[in-house]
Amino acid sequence: EDQVTQSPEALRLQEGESSSLNCSYTVSGLRGLFWYRQDPGKGPEFLFTLYSAGEEKEKERLKATLTKKESFLHITAPKPEDSATYLCAVQATGYGQNFVFGPGTRLSVLP
Amino acid sequence: DAGVIQSPRHEVTEMGQEVTLRCKPISGHDYLFWYRQTMMRGLELLIYFNNNVPIDDSGMPEDRFSAKMPNASFSTLKIQPSEPRDSAVYFCASTDRGSGTGHETQYFGPGTRLLVL
Repeated sequence: EDQVTQSPEALRLQEGESSSLNCSYTVSGLRGLFWYRQDPGKGPEFLFTLYSAGEEKEKERLKATLTKKESFLHITAPKPEDSATYLCAVQATGYGQNFVFGPGTRLSVLP
Repeated sequence: DAGVIQSPRHEVTEMGQEVTLRCKPISGHDYLFWYRQTMMRGLELLIYFNNNVPIDDSGMPEDRFSAKMPNASFSTLKIQPSEPRDSAVYFCASTDRGSGTGHETQYFGPGTRLLVL
Protein backbone atom coordinates (compact mmCIF):
# COMPACT_ATOMS: atom_id res chain seq x y z
CA GLU A 1 0.00 0.00 0.00
CA ASP A 2 1.30 3.44 -0.93
CA GLN A 3 2.10 5.59 2.09
CA VAL A 4 3.33 9.10 2.72
CA THR A 5 4.57 10.53 6.00
CA GLN A 6 5.74 14.05 6.71
CA SER A 7 7.91 15.51 9.43
CA PRO A 8 7.91 17.50 11.49
CA GLU A 9 4.19 17.83 12.14
CA ALA A 10 4.70 21.50 12.98
CA LEU A 11 7.68 23.84 12.67
CA ARG A 12 8.18 27.30 14.03
CA LEU A 13 10.97 29.43 12.57
CA GLN A 14 12.20 32.94 13.02
CA GLU A 15 12.23 35.08 9.91
CA GLY A 16 15.46 34.34 8.04
CA GLU A 17 16.03 30.99 9.77
CA SER A 18 16.42 28.37 7.03
CA SER A 19 15.15 24.82 7.50
CA SER A 20 13.86 21.73 5.69
CA LEU A 21 10.62 19.75 5.66
CA ASN A 22 10.67 16.02 5.03
CA CYS A 23 8.34 13.79 3.02
CA SER A 24 9.01 10.05 3.20
CA TYR A 25 7.14 7.73 0.90
CA THR A 26 6.56 4.08 0.14
CA VAL A 27 5.26 3.35 -3.31
CA SER A 28 5.59 0.42 -5.71
CA GLY A 29 6.81 2.70 -8.47
CA LEU A 30 6.93 6.46 -8.39
CA ARG A 31 5.33 8.38 -11.19
CA GLY A 32 5.55 11.74 -9.49
CA LEU A 33 5.93 13.48 -6.14
CA PHE A 34 4.01 16.69 -5.63
CA TRP A 35 4.38 19.54 -3.16
CA TYR A 36 1.44 21.77 -2.32
CA ARG A 37 1.02 24.76 -0.05
CA GLN A 38 -2.25 25.24 1.80
CA ASP A 39 -3.22 28.48 3.52
CA PRO A 40 -5.94 28.47 6.18
CA GLY A 41 -9.39 28.42 4.63
CA LYS A 42 -8.10 27.73 1.13
CA GLY A 43 -7.49 24.79 -1.15
CA PRO A 44 -4.03 23.32 -1.73
CA GLU A 45 -1.94 25.34 -4.15
CA PHE A 46 0.50 23.52 -6.42
CA LEU A 47 4.21 24.20 -5.91
CA PHE A 48 6.37 21.51 -7.54
CA THR A 49 6.38 18.14 -9.25
CA LEU A 50 9.44 15.86 -9.07
CA TYR A 51 9.69 12.75 -11.22
CA SER A 52 13.04 11.06 -10.59
CA ALA A 53 15.68 10.74 -7.91
CA GLY A 54 18.22 13.53 -8.07
CA GLU A 55 15.78 16.02 -9.51
CA GLU A 56 15.53 19.48 -7.96
CA LYS A 57 13.08 22.33 -8.47
CA GLU A 58 13.27 25.89 -7.15
CA LYS A 59 10.80 28.71 -6.71
CA GLU A 60 11.75 31.85 -4.83
CA ARG A 61 12.81 30.76 -1.33
CA LEU A 62 11.73 27.14 -1.84
CA LYS A 63 13.72 24.25 -3.24
CA ALA A 64 12.43 20.70 -3.51
CA THR A 65 14.69 17.67 -3.86
CA LEU A 66 13.96 13.98 -4.40
CA THR A 67 15.63 10.69 -3.52
CA LYS A 68 14.33 7.16 -3.92
CA LYS A 69 12.71 7.22 -0.49
CA GLU A 70 12.07 10.83 0.42
CA SER A 71 11.77 14.41 -0.64
CA PHE A 72 12.86 17.57 1.10
CA LEU A 73 11.41 21.03 0.84
CA HIS A 74 14.16 23.46 1.76
CA ILE A 75 13.12 26.93 2.83
CA THR A 76 15.87 29.54 2.66
CA ALA A 77 15.56 32.75 4.66
CA PRO A 78 11.80 32.34 5.16
CA LYS A 79 9.44 35.26 5.55
CA PRO A 80 6.19 35.40 7.55
CA GLU A 81 4.22 35.03 4.31
CA ASP A 82 5.71 31.55 3.91
CA SER A 83 3.62 30.43 6.89
CA ALA A 84 1.25 27.70 5.69
CA THR A 85 0.73 23.96 5.74
CA TYR A 86 2.91 22.15 3.22
CA LEU A 87 1.48 18.94 1.78
CA CYS A 88 3.33 16.22 -0.05
CA ALA A 89 1.61 13.71 -2.36
CA VAL A 90 2.81 10.77 -4.43
CA GLN A 91 1.38 9.19 -7.53
CA ALA A 92 2.32 5.62 -8.31
CA THR A 93 3.01 4.24 -11.77
CA GLY A 94 0.30 2.31 -13.51
CA TYR A 95 -2.98 3.22 -15.10
CA GLY A 96 -5.40 5.18 -13.00
CA GLN A 97 -3.14 5.67 -9.99
CA ASN A 98 -4.20 8.56 -7.84
CA PHE A 99 -2.56 10.89 -5.40
CA VAL A 100 -1.83 9.76 -1.86
CA PHE A 101 -1.36 12.76 0.38
CA GLY A 102 0.72 13.05 3.51
CA PRO A 103 -0.64 14.71 6.66
CA GLY A 104 1.27 17.93 6.08
CA THR A 105 3.71 20.12 7.99
CA ARG A 106 2.38 23.32 9.56
CA LEU A 107 5.02 26.01 9.17
CA SER A 108 4.95 29.23 11.16
CA VAL A 109 7.49 31.95 10.41
CA LEU A 110 7.68 34.60 13.09
CA PRO A 111 8.77 38.17 12.29
CA ASP B 1 -9.05 30.75 -16.39
CA ALA B 2 -11.03 31.16 -13.17
CA GLY B 3 -9.72 27.93 -11.74
CA VAL B 4 -11.84 25.27 -10.07
CA ILE B 5 -15.06 26.76 -8.71
CA GLN B 6 -16.97 25.31 -5.77
CA SER B 7 -20.23 26.27 -4.17
CA PRO B 8 -21.38 26.89 -1.58
CA ARG B 9 -18.26 27.98 0.28
CA HIS B 10 -19.91 27.32 3.64
CA GLU B 11 -22.83 25.09 4.55
CA VAL B 12 -24.44 24.60 7.93
CA THR B 13 -27.19 22.04 8.16
CA GLU B 14 -28.95 19.83 10.62
CA MET B 15 -28.50 16.11 10.95
CA GLY B 16 -30.72 14.22 8.55
CA GLN B 17 -30.88 16.93 5.93
CA GLU B 18 -29.70 16.52 2.35
CA VAL B 19 -26.56 18.41 1.36
CA THR B 20 -25.44 19.07 -2.22
CA LEU B 21 -21.98 20.39 -3.02
CA ARG B 22 -21.16 21.69 -6.48
CA CYS B 23 -18.00 21.91 -8.56
CA LYS B 24 -17.02 23.41 -11.90
CA PRO B 25 -13.62 22.08 -13.07
CA ILE B 26 -11.09 23.94 -15.16
CA SER B 27 -12.19 24.02 -18.78
CA GLY B 28 -10.53 21.28 -20.82
CA HIS B 29 -9.59 19.10 -17.88
CA ASP B 30 -10.69 15.49 -18.29
CA TYR B 31 -10.37 14.29 -14.69
CA LEU B 32 -12.31 15.51 -11.67
CA PHE B 33 -11.68 14.49 -8.08
CA TRP B 34 -13.64 14.93 -4.85
CA TYR B 35 -11.65 14.99 -1.61
CA ARG B 36 -12.55 15.38 2.06
CA GLN B 37 -10.21 17.00 4.56
CA THR B 38 -10.40 16.69 8.34
CA MET B 39 -7.89 17.29 11.10
CA MET B 40 -7.92 13.63 12.06
CA ARG B 41 -7.65 12.00 8.63
CA GLY B 42 -6.10 14.67 6.44
CA LEU B 43 -6.95 14.78 2.75
CA GLU B 44 -8.86 11.72 1.53
CA LEU B 45 -9.91 10.91 -2.01
CA LEU B 46 -13.62 10.10 -2.20
CA ILE B 47 -14.28 9.56 -5.91
CA TYR B 48 -12.93 10.57 -9.27
CA PHE B 49 -14.32 10.90 -12.81
CA ASN B 50 -12.73 10.61 -16.23
CA ASN B 51 -14.60 12.26 -19.08
CA ASN B 52 -17.70 12.48 -16.85
CA VAL B 53 -17.64 8.77 -16.00
CA PRO B 54 -17.07 7.66 -12.38
CA ILE B 55 -13.92 5.52 -12.31
CA ASP B 56 -13.28 4.74 -8.65
CA ASP B 57 -15.66 5.44 -5.79
CA SER B 58 -13.95 3.21 -3.26
CA GLY B 59 -13.22 6.19 -1.05
CA MET B 60 -16.87 7.12 -0.62
CA PRO B 61 -17.52 6.40 3.05
CA GLU B 62 -20.98 4.89 2.69
CA ASP B 63 -24.15 4.80 0.67
CA ARG B 64 -25.25 8.15 2.04
CA PHE B 65 -22.70 9.70 -0.29
CA SER B 66 -23.26 9.95 -4.03
CA ALA B 67 -21.60 11.92 -6.82
CA LYS B 68 -22.55 12.76 -10.38
CA MET B 69 -20.97 14.49 -13.33
CA PRO B 70 -23.70 15.17 -15.91
CA ASN B 71 -21.33 17.10 -18.19
CA ALA B 72 -17.72 18.19 -18.50
CA SER B 73 -18.26 21.42 -16.63
CA PHE B 74 -20.29 20.36 -13.61
CA SER B 75 -20.22 17.83 -10.80
CA THR B 76 -22.15 17.35 -7.58
CA LEU B 77 -21.46 15.52 -4.34
CA LYS B 78 -24.57 14.72 -2.37
CA ILE B 79 -24.94 13.53 1.22
CA GLN B 80 -28.35 12.18 2.20
CA PRO B 81 -29.01 12.00 5.09
CA SER B 82 -26.19 14.04 6.58
CA GLU B 83 -24.63 13.23 9.95
CA PRO B 84 -22.41 15.26 12.31
CA ARG B 85 -19.40 13.08 11.43
CA ASP B 86 -19.67 14.32 7.84
CA SER B 87 -18.51 17.74 9.00
CA ALA B 88 -15.34 18.51 7.05
CA VAL B 89 -13.96 20.56 4.20
CA TYR B 90 -14.79 19.07 0.81
CA PHE B 91 -12.49 19.88 -2.08
CA CYS B 92 -12.91 19.41 -5.77
CA ALA B 93 -9.83 19.16 -7.99
CA SER B 94 -9.27 18.70 -11.71
CA THR B 95 -6.42 17.75 -13.99
CA ASP B 96 -5.67 17.13 -17.62
CA ARG B 97 -4.31 13.60 -18.07
CA GLY B 98 -5.26 13.54 -21.70
CA SER B 99 -2.65 16.09 -22.67
CA GLY B 100 -0.03 13.38 -23.03
CA THR B 101 2.58 15.50 -21.34
CA GLY B 102 2.81 13.29 -18.31
CA HIS B 103 2.14 16.31 -16.16
CA GLU B 104 -0.80 15.46 -13.95
CA THR B 105 -0.86 18.32 -11.49
CA GLN B 106 -4.18 18.52 -9.73
CA TYR B 107 -5.67 21.98 -9.29
CA PHE B 108 -7.89 22.42 -6.26
CA GLY B 109 -10.91 24.57 -5.65
CA PRO B 110 -11.37 26.69 -2.51
CA GLY B 111 -13.42 24.02 -0.78
CA THR B 112 -16.82 23.83 0.88
CA ARG B 113 -16.82 23.92 4.66
CA LEU B 114 -19.63 21.70 5.85
CA LEU B 115 -20.94 21.68 9.40
CA VAL B 116 -23.65 19.21 10.29
CA LEU B 117 -25.31 19.95 13.63
